[in-house]
Amino acid sequence: NAGVTQTPKFQVLKTGQSMTLQCAQDMNHEYMSWYRQDPGMGLRLIHYSVGAGITDQGEVPNGYNVSRSTTEDFPLRLLSAAPSQTSVYFCASSYGRQLTDTQYFGPGTRLTVL
Amino acid sequence: AQTVTQSQPEMSVQEAETVTLSCTYDTSENNYYLFWYKQPPSRQMILVIRQEAYKQQNATENRFSVNFQKAAKSFSLKISDSQLGDTAMYFCAYSTDSWGKLQFGAGTQVVVTP
Repeated sequence: NAGVTQTPKFQVLKTGQSMTLQCAQDMNHEYMSWYRQDPGMGLRLIHYSVGAGITDQGEVPNGYNVSRSTTEDFPLRLLSAAPSQTSVYFCASSYGRQLTDTQYFGPGTRLTVL
Repeated sequence: AQTVTQSQPEMSVQEAETVTLSCTYDTSENNYYLFWYKQPPSRQMILVIRQEAYKQQNATENRFSVNFQKAAKSFSLKISDSQLGDTAMYFCAYSTDSWGKLQFGAGTQVVVTP
């Protein structure tokens, strides 16, 4: 198993550009999430999904879109990038069936918006 | 809204010694989950330990243990016999779901010195 993979690892955008951060997992996990990590802060939840076709907003959803067409993939779309979206983005997944289930995090994508 | 507070930005400890990280949280829920995550310089998020609020017994994982005080809404992490590999940022996190939707504190940087 590759676990949770994220692409790209690094990205530089200009203000107003759009892009998609990719996240994939090969563990047949139902639950997937996107977080952002800003300097001096913990991770904050952007969007999450409890299964294919089901998504919901987290703490900081503005400026981001998500969809979940398959169990494996959960892309995060920036519609019109702003400097305030400069951050490290983490994708996470979990099976979610048991109380002792572990949430697995991807390696992160460092995004800079100029 | 729930909040998670880590009041110690940085802690330094010598190898083989013990260090305790503090975490307090605010919630009106009776059932919830608390976590400690480790983020080494590689940026990977690694689950260290988890506690279910309905369990009175404190969780332990090898050299890591917690002191969970539900009434005081306190969840401290003790690292015993500290090792150089324990150097990392440690995040306390809260969730009403066992599988995710985490709310993180700002983190405590732990530096283990020889």
